[in-house]
Parts: sequence; C-alpha cells; structure tokens
Amino acid sequence: AQSVTQPDIHITVSEGASLELRCNYSYGATPYLFWYVQSPGQGLQLLLKYFSGDTLVQGIKGFEAEFKRSQSSFNLRKPSVHWSDAAEYFCAVGAKEYGNKLVFGAGTILRVKS
Amino acid sequence: DAGITQSPRHKVTETGTPVTLRCHQTENHRYMYWYRQDPGHGLRLIHYSYGVKDTDKGEVSDGYSVSRSKTEDFLLTLESATSSQTSVYFCAISGGEKLFFGSGTQLSVL
Repeated sequence: AQSVTQPDIHITVSEGASLELRCNYSYGATPYLFWYVQSPGQGLQLLLKYFSGDTLVQGIKGFEAEFKRSQSSFNLRKPSVHWSDAAEYFCAVGAKEYGNKLVFGAGTILRVKS
Repeated sequence: DAGITQSPRHKVTETGTPVTLRCHQTENHRYMYWYRQDPGHGLRLIHYSYGVKDTDKGEVSDGYSVSRSKTEDFLLTLESATSSQTSVYFCAISGGEKLFFGSGTQLSVL
C-alpha cells in the first residue's frame, strides 16, 4: 500500500535558522512527490514538486527539496526561516499509474520563534 | 490561482440529515477529487472522478457518495451525516500531475 510518513508532528525553529522537514514514502510505482503548505484556515498551496530528472528541486518562497530514491525520502529544506513560514506542511506522493491520486502525510506544524 | 469554488464554506447540521457539498471548477480539468482533513491524519481521499459520470472510491469512502454530471461540478453527498464526518472537506482538481485545492468546507455534524 502507498504511504507517506512525516515523522515530526511539530517543529519549532528560531527565525533565521535553517529548516529541514522530513518525508519518507512507500510506493509501488515511480512516484511524483510534492510539498504543500497550509496556513490556518486556508487551502493548500503547492510549494514544489518532483517528477523526474534533477533530484534537487527548487520551489517558491525559498524552499527546496531533495529526492533520494535509495532512502525513499523527499525532505524539504530552507536555509533561513522567516516568521511568515509558520504553517503546516504536507508531503504527498502520487503516480500516473494510480490515476494521479495523491497520498498525503499527516503533516508537520512549523512554529517560528523570534 | 486555479478556478475552484467550494460551497458552502461552512455548514452545521444534525446527525442523520443528508448533506451535499459542491465543488465547481472553471479550468475544464478532467480529474476532480474530494479529500477530508482531520488532525493527525493529513488529507485522506474520499472519492475522485476522472471524467463526467466516471467516479471511483478513495480510502475513506464509506458513508459518502459523489456525482459528476458536468465537467465543472463534482458533488459530495453524505447520505446520513454522523458526528465522525465532522471535518474539513477539500476539493481538488488536476489536469495532469499537480493538484490544485479549493478553500475548503468546514462541516460540523452535531
């Protein structure tokens, strides 16, 4: 079965510090991988995506993620966090073979302290 | 932003009553999805559609039905609402690999 694990429910970082959010997946097909962000009371906004090719992908708002097939991971990073980055982050995986349905992780809530 | 409108935005209903949520898109995308979001579970797929009158179940489809009579509209119906269906419901659309989400419907079943 397809599954996505985000091991950290909550993460707190200081403003200006670096950030890494972890994501591991289990999938029976060549995956597409996504990171979405959700601010309170809002819908989900796509941060970045990986389909193929270069395993380091750049997204919006200064985020990047690296696909590591050997570790089944797609961790999200940002070198310097801003207070406005406080939100909930979701990793998701899909595949054309499964009708492009996305399976989501449980989410990681990011808190930024000043 | 992708043209997705969910209605209503908020709904309070009583146990045992039927409820219909509507998702409307202006992008002419083939795929439409209904997810529910609950703390600790992320988003879970309820039903999805890959064309007019073509729908299939997701991982949490029990107690829900859907209909898609037009490309632009995808309806989610709770035949007899239960308290366990209190949740935030998101519609999503896709013309390829990426999903675009609506703003969500907060449903409370009392």
